[in-house]
Amino acid sequence: DQQVKQNSPSLSVQEGRISILNCDYTNSMFDYFLWYKKYPAEGPTFLISISSIKDKNEDGRFTVFLNKSAKHLSLHIVPSQPGDSAVYFCAASVLYGGGADGLTFGKGTHLIIQP
Amino acid sequence: GAGVSQSPRYKVAKRGQDVALRCDPISGHVSLFWYQQALGQGPEFLTYFQNEAQLDKSGLPSDRFFAERPEGSVSTLKIQRTQQEDSAVYLCASSLVGTSQETQYFGPGTRLLVL
Repeated sequence: DQQVKQNSPSLSVQEGRISILNCDYTNSMFDYFLWYKKYPAEGPTFLISISSIKDKNEDGRFTVFLNKSAKHLSLHIVPSQPGDSAVYFCAASVLYGGGADGLTFGKGTHLIIQP
Repeated sequence: GAGVSQSPRYKVAKRGQDVALRCDPISGHVSLFWYQQALGQGPEFLTYFQNEAQLDKSGLPSDRFFAERPEGSVSTLKIQRTQQEDSAVYLCASSLVGTSQETQYFGPGTRLLVL
């Protein structure tokens, strides 16, 4: 049973437009959410995160929105650039006695930015 | 500064062979994580260290998998009697302190192919 779901395996967006990547989760104990970007043959690179006490976090062109009641988060990239073409993973963690915990990942969405 | 490094980057093993995968975390990082990423999937948590202590090994798929971090820095993931289903990318990540709401930084991974 997948606890973090990214239902779109791929997404194609024109350069300069907004890219919206979606993620749904089922575990209500998740309290911290992250987006990672991955290029081929490289490890995931941290992009942006959000705590469950917030509903929005912004960093430059990247904004993450969290809707706790819907158990849904989304990553907005605007404007989209060719270098944004990569696989994007949504990940979540559980507050567990204050210690660190393994992340639970979705399967990823392959974002393709078309010129 | 240097990021997380892993070696070897690629490993081909014959079924039944033992393999050892190495991870050098970011200097000073207390927490270290191992993940397994199968083709077309997101990374899946294997095990977690805080310094030299292995605090969580719930994700290890079988007793053929063993991880250690004897001096609290470099870690080795060992797979005994490899099977074809062990073919995957093995990712290592580290984080600074080891609290739940903390970014994990990933290495490039070791791609293991078992023939």
